[in-house]
Amino acid sequence: DTGVSQDPRHKITKRGQNVTFRCDPISEHNRLYWYRQTLGQGPEFLTYFQNEAQLEKSRLLSDRFSAERPKGSFSTLEIQRTEQGDSAMYLCASSFPDRRHYGYTFGSGTRLTVV
Amino acid sequence: GQQVMQIPQYQHVQEGEDFTTYCNSSTTLSNIQWYKQRPGGHPVFLIQLVKSGEVKKQKRLTFQFGEAKKNSSLHITATQTTDVGTYFCAGPIDYKLSFGAGTTVTVRA
Repeated sequence: DTGVSQDPRHKITKRGQNVTFRCDPISEHNRLYWYRQTLGQGPEFLTYFQNEAQLEKSRLLSDRFSAERPKGSFSTLEIQRTEQGDSAMYLCASSFPDRRHYGYTFGSGTRLTVV
Repeated sequence: GQQVMQIPQYQHVQEGEDFTTYCNSSTTLSNIQWYKQRPGGHPVFLIQLVKSGEVKKQKRLTFQFGEAKKNSSLHITATQTTDVGTYFCAGPIDYKLSFGAGTTVTVRA
């Protein structure tokens, strides 16, 4: 297993278009997270899954955003009717929290630019 | 807004000098984690601290968790150019990690 994979690495889209990002977590990890990061800021929580169940969505996540994790494996994050304010790095992370290790493994991210 | 605060936001260091970056949480944390993000990269897990007052070292990096489990620090000794990047602390708040805004470190050779 080579870690958390995200696709695409970069996406440029016109305002109003829909975009979808994919994340493949580490296979043994049961938790998968989506974060958003803008320049000069730390990662900001969007949503997370435990197996296939979406357990929490940030209040920052408008109804234009939707995430899925069918069968508890890979996940997709879709943004509908993109706005310029959606431009950011979208990071996926996975973890398998136990008493010894709580850390997240992040993917390389998808950088979205809305023009 | 972010519930984990870090200071300073920027740290410009002469190569060979020491520096410390600080992290404070508005709530008591079960653990604190530190991540490093190189320019153009993604956050990479460095370490976690769980016990009150815990101190852990990784070569020239020393991490400390406060007695009240609401603050933490990262001290880097003899800074090298490989230390360049942004260091984030993060704590679990409501079952997911809340990240600070990070301390961005630049090194003057």
